Amino acid sequence: GQQLNQSPQSMFIQEGEDVSMNCTSSSIFNTWLWYKQDPGEGPVLLIALYKAGELTSNGRLTAQFGITRKDSFLNISASIPSDVGIYFCAGLYGGATNKLIFGTGTLLAVQP
Amino acid sequence: DVKVTQSSRYLVKRTGEKVFLECVQDMDHENMFWYRQDPGLGLRLIYFSYDVKMKEKGDIPEGYSVSREKKERFSLILESASTNQTSMYLCASSQSGTGGSAFFGQGTRLTVV
Repeated sequence: GQQLNQSPQSMFIQEGEDVSMNCTSSSIFNTWLWYKQDPGEGPVLLIALYKAGELTSNGRLTAQFGITRKDSFLNISASIPSDVGIYFCAGLYGGATNKLIFGTGTLLAVQP
Repeated sequence: DVKVTQSSRYLVKRTGEKVFLECVQDMDHENMFWYRQDPGLGLRLIYFSYDVKMKEKGDIPEGYSVSREKKERFSLILESASTNQTSMYLCASSQSGTGGSAFFGQGTRLTVV
């Protein structure tokens, strides 16, 4: 099945460190989305990107829509323990049927 | 506030039972999706629907069917549950066209014994 290539698979960092993760695809997307999932819960939308080159922030989170429309990255600055979770990227094809394709996820662990 | 609601957080069913997982969204979204999530495998698309009564198979449709009789409701059906369908099931909805985002329900943890 289709999945986006997301890296790294996991990260174990100290509180206060910055984090960077990215997603690449062989397909062009019209929208890139970044989600965070806590254990036992559904993914929660963090940031949505709609234009190539777009850079968007949400608090300590910053994400960019790649110029080629085939990649995106997410940065978290000054990590805190509650940042722990699984982060997913997702790409939306445009048009009448917005099929949503997910990355494989990045597990983030933050040590206080 | 946008809302996607799945009917159950936890379900335990017996092998061979017919199982219904219900999902309702209140955002008037055209598209609705069912995924299953298993450790190490990420989110895999089972079925999606882009309009009432319209559906398309995702990557792993075998053993599942879906129903979308009303725009706000998308049901996932396990015709005869098996132990390998034990998983976390996630429903999502999104708007069509550019500028859309997708929102998830809280998930249903299904155990088939």
